[in-house]
Amino acid sequence: NAGVTQTPKFRILKIGQSMTLQCAQDMNHNYMYWYRQDPGMGLKLIYYSVGAGITDKGEVPNGYNVSRSTTEYFPLRLELAAPSQTSVYFCASREAFRQETQYFGPGTRLLVL
Amino acid sequence: KNQVEQSPQSLIILEGKNCTLQCNYTVSPFSNLRWYKQDTGRGPVSLTIMTFSENTKSNGRYTATLDADTKQSSLHITASQLSDSASYICVVAYSGGGADGLTFGKGTHLIIQP
Repeated sequence: NAGVTQTPKFRILKIGQSMTLQCAQDMNHNYMYWYRQDPGMGLKLIYYSVGAGITDKGEVPNGYNVSRSTTEYFPLRLELAAPSQTSVYFCASREAFRQETQYFGPGTRLLVL
Repeated sequence: KNQVEQSPQSLIILEGKNCTLQCNYTVSPFSNLRWYKQDTGRGPVSLTIMTFSENTKSNGRYTATLDADTKQSSLHITASQLSDSASYICVVAYSGGGADGLTFGKGTHLIIQP
């Protein structure tokens, strides 16, 4: 199993541009998450999903959108990128009945200039 | 407000030495406490998970303790190795949260010197 994979690894965006951060997992996990990690800060939840077709906002959802059409994929969309969205983005997943075990992807480093 | 505070912010020790990292939390109602290791440029990886009734839990050279009364946890690393250089993140889960209700600490950045 590849686990949780994320693409791209690094991206530079200009203010106002948009992009999609890709996340995939091959563990058939129902629950998937998007976090952002700012320098020197704890991870913050952006959006999460408990299954295909079901998504909900986390702590910091403004400026982002998600979709979950299949169990495997959970893309994060940034519209009108702003410097405040410069961060490292992590996707994570877990099984429905194993709340304590969350698997993280390697992260996408995003710089908005 | 749910909060997780970790100390120290950073720590440098010599290879082979032991160290202890601290975590204080004000998360309620408490569900479980987790310690993650995050290598530079990587995602966090789970080390231990402790519920309310567990006082101590070990994973190789890592031993976590939990005092639910004082809302404190520690992570003790024994006989440190160069590969232990990483950030260690304390995460506390509260029950009833739709998104698992996780509150992340800022982490302790540990550097092991040869």
